[in-house]
Formats: sequence, structure tokens, C-alpha cells
Amino acid sequence: EPEVTQTPSHQVTQMGQEVILRCVPISNHLYFYWYRQILGQKVEFLVSFYNNEISEKSEIFDDQFSVERPDGSNFTLKIRSTKLEDSAMYFCASRFGAADTQYFGPGTRLTVL
Amino acid sequence: GENVEQHPSTLSVQEGDSAVIKCTYSDSASNYFPWYKQELGKRPQLIIDIRSNVGEKKDQRIAVTLNKTAKHFSLHITETQPEDSAVYFCAASKRGSGANSKLTFGKGITLSVRP
Repeated sequence: EPEVTQTPSHQVTQMGQEVILRCVPISNHLYFYWYRQILGQKVEFLVSFYNNEISEKSEIFDDQFSVERPDGSNFTLKIRSTKLEDSAMYFCASRFGAADTQYFGPGTRLTVL
Repeated sequence: GENVEQHPSTLSVQEGDSAVIKCTYSDSASNYFPWYKQELGKRPQLIIDIRSNVGEKKDQRIAVTLNKTAKHFSLHITETQPEDSAVYFCAASKRGSGANSKLTFGKGITLSVRP
């Protein structure tokens, strides 16, 4: 069964550094999402992406964040200048159509030191 | 915006007993309510979902009920087994609202099934 994949599984970075988290959605899916979960807290929506543009973003998704679908398979989340409070598990999700289930990747644990 | 509350935060049951996990939501326009199960170190997996035009849905040992008037929905697991031990997340969404349909999650509950 096809699955959403994410790399790396764990990323450690220094505060102020840029990080790129990578996701490969399920191949025929059209809608893409990033969520994050700070340890012990809720899974929070960051951004949704469709037809090569952002369709909605949360207040968390400020100018430090950007997303890109650089080719037909990858979907990336970039944090330009990481802060300590960006430490979290970041989940990518995708779905095929407007009425379909979102399938989640295994997550990338980002640790900012 | 939507707010989803989930309670209790932890639940421990004896194997074979039933477990009930409750969630409330705030936005009456939400019309889709999935439940995800997350085992330690693994991705959230959809286990059951319900749409607002249905009051109850069942899949083997798992059922979900929805009360639109009270804006709450519940997950029921019968004949619990140790492999049911995991974190369970409820979520709410507005399906059919275009390209978004973002999920708003509850905080999650850790279910422990004692053998």
C-alpha cells in the first residue's frame, strides 16, 4: 500500500540555522499539508497546498516558513532561521480529492539547540 | 476557528473491557470527524471516521457516535486488547470547503490496556 514518506526522521540543528524537511506524498494525491506537534501538545495545522500554491496557512506559519513542490514528487517545508520553539515533530499529510482521507507520514523530529 | 477538546488525557482499562474516548468541537460548520491511532514512534493512522449526516458508524470492535446538537463525538472500543494501547487523536474538519479541509486535532489520549 502506498505511504507518505518523510526525511530525515530526526534533524538536529543550531538556533538560527535553516532546515528543510522533505516529504514524498502518495503519488496520485493532489492536496498536501504540514502539521506539527510540540511534545505533549496537540497536532497543529501549519499549511495546506494545492495546485502549486498555498491554500491556507495558520498563524504559526509566519515569514520564517515556506513550502515548495520542486518537482512532481517532493513537498518541502523550509524554516529559514530556526528558533528553540520550533522544536517539534513535523508531519506531512496528503490526500487525493476534496472528500478523501488525509494520510500522514511518519514525521520528522526537529530539535533546535 | 475550530477548537477540539479531548478528554480524558489518559485512560487505563482491563483487557476485554470497553473504552470510551470523548471529544467536543466548537464550530457547528464542521462536518467530518476522523479518529487517528498513533503507536509509539509510528505515524498517525486513520481508524474510523464519521460525517455529520450520520449519527453512528461501526467497524468491528470500533464505533464512533456523533451528537451534532451537543457538538460532541465519541470513540468506542469494545473487547479491548493489549494491541489497542496507543495514543488516540480525534479531529474535526469542514469537508467540501474547497482545497483546504485542514484537520483540527484534539490533544490526544493515551489508552493503556492492562493484560
